Amino acid sequence: GENVEQHPSTLSVQEGDSAVIKCTYSDSASNYFPWYKQELGKRPQLIIDIRSNVGEKKDQRIAVTLNKTAKHFSLHITETQPEDSAVYFCAKNAGNMLTFGGGTRLMVKP
Amino acid sequence: NAGVMQNPRHLVRRRGQEARLRCSPMKGHSHVYWYRQLPEEGLKFMVYLQKENIIDESGMPKERFSAEFPKEGPSILRIQQVVRGDSAAYFCASSPRTSGRGSYNEQFFGPGTRLTVL
Repeated sequence: GENVEQHPSTLSVQEGDSAVIKCTYSDSASNYFPWYKQELGKRPQLIIDIRSNVGEKKDQRIAVTLNKTAKHFSLHITETQPEDSAVYFCAKNAGNMLTFGGGTRLMVKP
Repeated sequence: NAGVMQNPRHLVRRRGQEARLRCSPMKGHSHVYWYRQLPEEGLKFMVYLQKENIIDESGMPKERFSAEFPKEGPSILRIQQVVRGDSAAYFCASSPRTSGRGSYNEQFFGPGTRLTVL
């Protein structure tokens, strides 16, 4: 189907630790996988994305990995900071739209 | 370069009234998408439009909901005879023209309109 499963739904880490969020999907046609960060009451903001022709992409403390064969992709945040606290959504393209995961509420404790 | 603009930011309607939500895409973007976000949930696709054309409305409820993106002016999402279940945040996103075959452009989101139906 077109759904994206995202885990965990909540994640609590200590400041400085790493956080990993995983998403799985089932269709083979998707080739674009963005990650969005949404703070309370704010708009979703694109933080990183990956296309199916690469397996990993990094931007400072954030990295995303993609395994197209296994149909899963993950977000890795290293050296977490309190300002990383937010809801994170994975997504994939499906025709003309993006299909989103259910979100992960990340809490970084100082 | 202004980002995606949406107005109003907050909208309160009584059951049975009409709600009109507006979205102006980023400069240079000709693709507009509408998403709905219920409290504590992810975003659900509603409709994809280009100027004067509805390209994909597979996520739109069959009744009471309509969308347009006229040649001039913002895109409008219209909800007629609102019910309490329509209370949600409605986000608009835009992307630039498709750059090539197989390419997929990033979508940039507006601040959303939070609709409350009393």
